[in-house]
Amino acid sequence: GQNIDQPTEMTATEGAIVQINCTYQTSGFNGLFWYQQHAGEAPTFLSYNVLDGLEEKGRFSSFLSRSKGYSYLLLKELQMKDSASYLCAVNRGGTYKYIFGTGTRLKVLA
Amino acid sequence: DAMVIQNPRYQVTQFGKPVTLSCSQTLNHNVMYWYQQKSSQAPKLLFHYYDKDFNNEADTPDNFQSRRPNTSFCFLDIRSPGLGDAAMYLCATSRASQGGGQPQHFGDGTRLSIL
Repeated sequence: GQNIDQPTEMTATEGAIVQINCTYQTSGFNGLFWYQQHAGEAPTFLSYNVLDGLEEKGRFSSFLSRSKGYSYLLLKELQMKDSASYLCAVNRGGTYKYIFGTGTRLKVLA
Repeated sequence: DAMVIQNPRYQVTQFGKPVTLSCSQTLNHNVMYWYQQKSSQAPKLLFHYYDKDFNNEADTPDNFQSRRPNTSFCFLDIRSPGLGDAAMYLCATSRASQGGGQPQHFGDGTRLSIL
């Protein structure tokens, strides 16, 4: 079956670092994507991994281990505006389909 | 800026009254998607187009139809909306690439309410 798991909620303090984990089981794999979604708005693309390892983009980094079916999104120097849901999505190999996790709601506290 | 535009942002319709949601893109992407997203849930893929090739998900209700008259436009028709169809509807595009997955670009969504 197809399954993507993320923690439902996380809380962190402004200026801190937070790691949001994602595990997946899909038939076929052609990349893992992280999106940020503020309440009532559309998802916006943050980061993408197709090979094992770490991808860094400013305050955001994403890591992938294909053998473990595992990824994480690392957010550094947290700001209040980072309070949002973070969605993990997998592109199934050989298709144009993306399977989304239910998202992790991150609350950043002052 | 190149983008994905959905109209309207908010749509209210009556139970059983047909409604059409629209999406346009200036990215010239081959692939267009419609997702349904309910509160605190993952976006659920309803269908997608690769160019004019239509792909329906097995669990998408027959009540939901789609049209893509050209590369730029895609429509979601809900023939007889029920209360359970109240949700955010997201349109997304991506570039087709054999080399690997491509990020999806989302419109702002249409929030549909059913009276």
